[in-house]
Amino acid sequence: QVQLVESGGGLVKPGGSLRLSCAASGFTFSDYYMSWIRQAPGKGLEWVSYISSSSSYTNYADSVKGRFTISRDNAKNSLYLQMNSLRAEDTAVYYCARAGDLRYFDLWGRGTLVTVSS
Amino acid sequence: QSVLTQPPSVSAAPGQKVTISCSGSSSNIGNNYVSWYQQLPGTAPKLLIYENNKRPSGIPDRFSGSKSGTSATLGITGLQTGDEADYYCGTWDSSLSALFGGGTKLTVL
Repeated sequence: QVQLVESGGGLVKPGGSLRLSCAASGFTFSDYYMSWIRQAPGKGLEWVSYISSSSSYTNYADSVKGRFTISRDNAKNSLYLQMNSLRAEDTAVYYCARAGDLRYFDLWGRGTLVTVSS
Repeated sequence: QSVLTQPPSVSAAPGQKVTISCSGSSSNIGNNYVSWYQQLPGTAPKLLIYENNKRPSGIPDRFSGSKSGTSATLGITGLQTGDEADYYCGTWDSSLSALFGGGTKLTVL
């Protein structure tokens, strides 16, 4: 069925790194922009980054620019988020989402929890 | 603090109607489509409304969206206890960054 499944979350120390993955199935992954969106505990949604269908264009929230890198492998139907120099404020559930024409997010994964703590 | 402003909470009785507002500016809502998301407790967000007023397949017509100028509104009629959730508006800004409202918690009394 049509779904997104995130993985790679966990506990990491401040300053550390983590790589999140998102496996897509049930649709033509290479046709869509994809995005990462996060939600800190008890807080609202915060967009993190998106990547175009061919990886030619990426964009980042100011809060992660220079520290996070989004990428994708269309042959593997997978989306990635490399997170470096992690801070306590990066603690959140990270959702992978499909971006419909860069106008809305029409498919979401269940999320993976990233905890940054010493 | 979110660029898009939503009321923190709204409430209404079962069967009643409720509206949730989302206020922005000309650099975001004023020149872009608005979408709405429902997040039931402990679950991932789900798209409710896209392109201001369109419903994805499977979303009942009890849910509606509208936009006027730099504000948007989500309407829910025939409230059910299962509608208790957090609701978020979303749009884009002039730098093609996605924006979300702070979220509104709906309580069905």
